[in-house]
Amino acid sequence: GAGVSQSPSNKVTEKGKDVELRCDPISGHTALYWYRQSLGQGLEFLIYFQGNSAPDKSGLPSDRFSAERTGGSVSTLTIQRTQQEDSAVYLCASIPGLSSTDTQYFGPGTRLTVL
Amino acid sequence: KQEVTQIPAALSVPEGENLVLNCSFTDSAIYNLQWFRQDPGKGLTSLLLIQSSQREQTSGRLNASLDKSSGRSTLYIAASQPGDSATYLCAVLTNSGYALNFGKGTSLLVTP
Repeated sequence: GAGVSQSPSNKVTEKGKDVELRCDPISGHTALYWYRQSLGQGLEFLIYFQGNSAPDKSGLPSDRFSAERTGGSVSTLTIQRTQQEDSAVYLCASIPGLSSTDTQYFGPGTRLTVL
Repeated sequence: KQEVTQIPAALSVPEGENLVLNCSFTDSAIYNLQWFRQDPGKGLTSLLLIQSSQREQTSGRLNASLDKSSGRSTLYIAASQPGDSATYLCAVLTNSGYALNFGKGTSLLVTP
């Protein structure tokens, strides 16, 4: 079946603009994660959605970052007033069950460049 | 805070060699440890997942070991091939959370 998909694959924006990144998890997967991979850094956790529970936003680096998940499926990560340090690859992952110990399935990522 | 370190950062070997990638973590209270492969412009592919109660996992030419008490894992690749060239990431899931803690990866190049 189809894997996790993300769009756009690449996004170039000017400093100060808002951007939206989209993630379509594998159908039926209950949990969804957003991670960020900056140049030379490891993947950094941003936010976690599990079913209908309130999301864990503890990894979001600032209040310019927000995310939502509609209908328990598609998720959108929004970055307002982008800064150059926001340039990174943003990766989405989903897991099939209610246990966070399940294998995470990753999408191809969105490469964001802020000029 | 869990810190995950991978050594070496980069490795170049001729085709056919066996090789070992290393991963260490500071907090031994983990649920599991995973090894991923990342190809340029693509997402992560899970290679092996070792539960905290396990010592090793094998898949084809890959073998991953886990020594939880010492905070170490190794990924052994036998008879390396050019198609193995990629970045290999180690990630741990700690008991206190549900997000993976990643190392910075080892960039592997296998030359023909």
